[in-house]
Amino acid sequence: GQNIDQPTEMTATEGAIVQINCTYQTSGFNGLFWYQQHAGEAPTFLSYNVLDGLEEKGRFSSFLSRSKGYSYLLLKELQMKDSASYLCAVSDQMTTDSWGKLQFGAGTQVVVTP
Amino acid sequence: DGGITQSPKYLFRKEGQNVTLSCEQNLNHDAMYWYRQDPGQGLRLIYYSQIVNDFQKGDIAEGYSVSREKKESFPLTVTSAQKNPTAFYLCASSIISGRASGELFFGEGSRLTVL
Repeated sequence: GQNIDQPTEMTATEGAIVQINCTYQTSGFNGLFWYQQHAGEAPTFLSYNVLDGLEEKGRFSSFLSRSKGYSYLLLKELQMKDSASYLCAVSDQMTTDSWGKLQFGAGTQVVVTP
Repeated sequence: DGGITQSPKYLFRKEGQNVTLSCEQNLNHDAMYWYRQDPGQGLRLIYYSQIVNDFQKGDIAEGYSVSREKKESFPLTVTSAQKNPTAFYLCASSIISGRASGELFFGEGSRLTVL
């Protein structure tokens, strides 16, 4: 079966750095995605990794190790508005026409304190 | 502005009633999806469609039905056969082209409560 694990909650101070880990065991792999979801709102796309290594996008970076089934999302220079749930999702399909089918983790609630 | 519109935002239903959630997109995306979100669980795929007049079951399709008569529209019906329908329902769309297929654009969601 599919299994995507991430911590339930993390707390950090404004201006600090937080790293959200995600481990996965899926039948196939076509990429790993991170989404941000503020309470009561729709998830929004943050990042995508398909090859090993680090992808940087402003204050957010995402890392992938396919051999370890592991990814992390790094949030730097935390701001109060970063308080949200961060969802790790894996595309486990082997055919390109169904890459949009994602398996989601339960999400990590990040609480940023002043 | 392009985007995805879901309605209604909040819906209450009595047990035994069917209810239909609307999802419309003007992004010209080929693929559309319905996910269900419950507290403490990840989003779970109900149905998806990659082309008009065709759709596929996701992981939890039982008790739900969909149609895709137009590219822009992908309504979801929650039937009385769905045992635990109270949840937050999210509609999404994407293009069908490699990695971009996983970049989902979500609607604002519909919160269904069964009384």
